[in-house]
Amino acid sequence: EVQLVQSGAQVKKPGESLKISCRGSGYTFSNYWIDWVRQMPGKGLESMGSIYPGDSDSRYSPSFQGQVTISADKSISTAYLEWSSLKASDTAIYFCGRHGIDGDYINYWGQGTLVTVSS
Amino acid sequence: DIQMTQSPSTLSASVGDRVTITCRASQSISSWLAWYQQKPGKAPNLLIYKASKLKSGVPSRFSGSGSGTEFTLTISSLQPDDFATYYCQQYNSYLGAFGQGTKVEIK
Repeated sequence: EVQLVQSGAQVKKPGESLKISCRGSGYTFSNYWIDWVRQMPGKGLESMGSIYPGDSDSRYSPSFQGQVTISADKSISTAYLEWSSLKASDTAIYFCGRHGIDGDYINYWGQGTLVTVSS
Repeated sequence: DIQMTQSPSTLSASVGDRVTITCRASQSISSWLAWYQQKPGKAPNLLIYKASKLKSGVPSRFSGSGSGTEFTLTISSLQPDDFATYYCQQYNSYLGAFGQGTKVEIK
């Protein structure tokens, strides 16, 4: 059974750094793109970026380029989303998702990680 | 960038109603469109991909159609479990944009 398990909720202060994770199981982690998707409180879904764990090729939506870093460690089947300096506007739920076999839709989703940034 | 526009933003319907949600792309995306259902506090769930292919395990009352720039998601007979928010997503280009969502509410 394919599963994506994300790290737990985080409460941080503005300016702090953070790295959240998404661990895949039940499939060959290296072979499928992983997306990160943001959902701000009461709002819709936004694509942030993607990574191919096999070679760590990563892509970013223009809105998120330079704001976050996406990485992966295929040896432990885990993808990461990282901030070097959080802002209050980063408060959101962050989902990871795995692409389908035959297209870049998201076939499997993690449960989401709530990140709260508040002074 | 390809923009996705859903309509309506909110839809009030009763159990048993036939419901249709529309998604329009700012340029042709062939059939590279997915539909997701999201319930409060939960991750989205894939319903349909490649515009009309039903994901295994998804009830057959859900169907998708369209190609190019105009797409529809239809629920043939709305059930209590279907009250949720629905999103379309194009994947013609990488990092596919989502529509803004359609919330299906109880009438």
